[in-house]
Amino acid sequence: GQNIDQPTEMTATEGAIVQINCTYQTSGFNGLFWYQQHAGEAPTFLSYNVLDGLEEKGRFSSFLSRSKGYSYLLLKELQMKDSASYLCAVRPDDRGSTLGRLYFGRGTQLTVWP
Amino acid sequence: SQTIHQWPATLVQPVGSPLSLECTVEGTSNPNLYWYRQAAGRGLQLLFYSVGIGQISSEVPQNLSASRPQDRQFILSSKKLLLSDSGFYLCAWSAHGGNYGYTFGSGTRLTVV
Repeated sequence: GQNIDQPTEMTATEGAIVQINCTYQTSGFNGLFWYQQHAGEAPTFLSYNVLDGLEEKGRFSSFLSRSKGYSYLLLKELQMKDSASYLCAVRPDDRGSTLGRLYFGRGTQLTVWP
Repeated sequence: SQTIHQWPATLVQPVGSPLSLECTVEGTSNPNLYWYRQAAGRGLQLLFYSVGIGQISSEVPQNLSASRPQDRQFILSSKKLLLSDSGFYLCAWSAHGGNYGYTFGSGTRLTVV
């Protein structure tokens, strides 16, 4: 089975930095993804990590430690539009398969205050 | 460029009625296709996935079924809806063998009354 945990809610103020953590226990590992989902909309892709370390993409960065089963998404210079749910998703190791199943955590609802 | 279309956007159906949600992908061939459901306050639950025409795998037992009659068409169905089938249904695609995430359709908000 797959177990992916992340905090339910977080709040921060405009211009601040926030770190959203994700821990996982999965049957194999072949990549961790972060998605952003605004209320009533579909999730949109933010980042992908498969090796340990930090991946930076503009105001967003994502970190992975495979040995600890841990990732975080770092959002800098927060803006009001960053208020959304942030979903952590893990792809198990489907060795020999072309399937790319992703299993999602429940999401972290981030509220950015002015 | 690749696009994914999903319809309808919203649907209100009585208990016991049938369901058919359709998803199509353009601009790619032989995609992996997925159906997810997001119930209120819960995460995305993988329902079905498909690697090719007629090839469907079910992730969890449920009141729903899926079919893939064409390479880029994925259909989610039910013969008799239950109240517990209410939720936000999302279709997604990914490329075979690539280190990419999923691209989601815009979703269908289903309310069973």
